[in-house]
Amino acid sequence: DAGVIQSPRHEVTEMGQEVTLRCKPISGHNSLFWYRQTMMRGLELLIYFNNNVPIDDSGMPEDRFSAKMPNASFSTLKIQPSEPRDSAVYFCASSLSSYEQYFGPGTRLTVT
Amino acid sequence: KQEVTQIPAALSVPEGENLVLNCSFTDSAIYNLQWFRQDPGKGLTSLLLIQSSQREQTSGRLNASLDKSSGRSTLYIAASQPGDSATYLCAFSGGSYIPTFGRGTSLIVHP
Repeated sequence: DAGVIQSPRHEVTEMGQEVTLRCKPISGHNSLFWYRQTMMRGLELLIYFNNNVPIDDSGMPEDRFSAKMPNASFSTLKIQPSEPRDSAVYFCASSLSSYEQYFGPGTRLTVT
Repeated sequence: KQEVTQIPAALSVPEGENLVLNCSFTDSAIYNLQWFRQDPGKGLTSLLLIQSSQREQTSGRLNASLDKSSGRSTLYIAASQPGDSATYLCAFSGGSYIPTFGRGTSLIVHP
């Protein structure tokens, strides 16, 4: 298996622009997690899907952030409008029934 | 709110030493605990997963143990090598299945 796939790997955008991050989980996995990692706050869970349904989005910072999982093989995390404080590495991870998590390589987002 | 603490925050040792990294958690209702390795600028790589019914897991030179009564897990690295240099993170999952990560232990093994 190719593992968890994320795109793009790097994104540089200007403040106010819309940013869309994409994730393809491991085939057969039914749980998907979006995380954000910064030096200041470490690794934070943003949202958790199980069987394509959002279970916990309490980590989503504010209404500028939204996530969708239209099917078992694809998820997006959107930031609109983006702000410099959103600069971070965003990780997607998947697992089978919340068992062992496998992480993607991450998307490094820079908002200027 | 679940808290996960990792001690020490940083560690620098000469090659060949046996190491113990600590992870403590506040919630006794554990589902599983997972140890990860993260190299600079990279994603997280799963090392070991311990289910709540297990006491320990081993993979090569790595051994992870779980003590639910004391709220602690330890990662033991035998005969450390420079290639072990990385940040090691633990993640606790409780009854909600939502993982909480520690801040990690940054390890440097020098030749």
